[in-house]
Amino acid sequence: GAGVSQSPSNKVTEKGKDVELRCDPISGHTALYWYRQRLGQGLEFLIYFQGNSAPDKSGLPSDRFSAERTGESVSTLTIQRTQQEDSAVYLCASSLALLGGSGPRDTQYFGPGTRLTVL
Amino acid sequence: SQKIEQNSEALNIQEGKTATLTCNYTNYSPAYLQWYRQDPGRGPVFLLLIRENEKEKRKERLKVTFDTTLKQSLFHITASQPADSATYLCALGGGGATNKLIFGTGTLLAVQP
Repeated sequence: GAGVSQSPSNKVTEKGKDVELRCDPISGHTALYWYRQRLGQGLEFLIYFQGNSAPDKSGLPSDRFSAERTGESVSTLTIQRTQQEDSAVYLCASSLALLGGSGPRDTQYFGPGTRLTVL
Repeated sequence: SQKIEQNSEALNIQEGKTATLTCNYTNYSPAYLQWYRQDPGRGPVFLLLIRENEKEKRKERLKVTFDTTLKQSLFHITASQPADSATYLCALGGGGATNKLIFGTGTLLAVQP
């Protein structure tokens, strides 16, 4: 079946411009996550959507970052006034996780990522 | 603050040997721990999940142990193959109100033929 898809796969932008990254999760997955991965580093949690609950935005590094999700489908991550330190791969993942669950439903399925380069 | 440590140095082993990767954590009480594989230019792929009340979990050539007293997980690949070469990430979850995972920085494994 279809996995998590992300677009664009690559994005090159100039400092100060806004960018919008898109994630299409696996159909039926209630949870959606955004992570940032800088070159040679681990995944940095950004934001988490779970059903109709208020999103967990605790990982967003600044108010230039925001994300939205329409129901249990597409999500967009927006970075305003991009800076060079925003250059990274932005990964999206989805899962069947229900709040408090600890079984296989918590497995996260990742998309291929969007490589963002800010010049 | 919560901290996860994985060997930052690459692990080089010969084909056929057992690879052992370490994941240590502090200031966290996870309900479960997961291991993921990441290949260059790709997103991580789930491998194994082990819960806090489980000591060991196996899947084919993979074995994971979880010691909540030592706050450590070991990830073993037996009879390693060059195709096992990748970065392996550990992730902790279930320790708070949400299901978000906290990832380590990963260890690069290189299996030499």
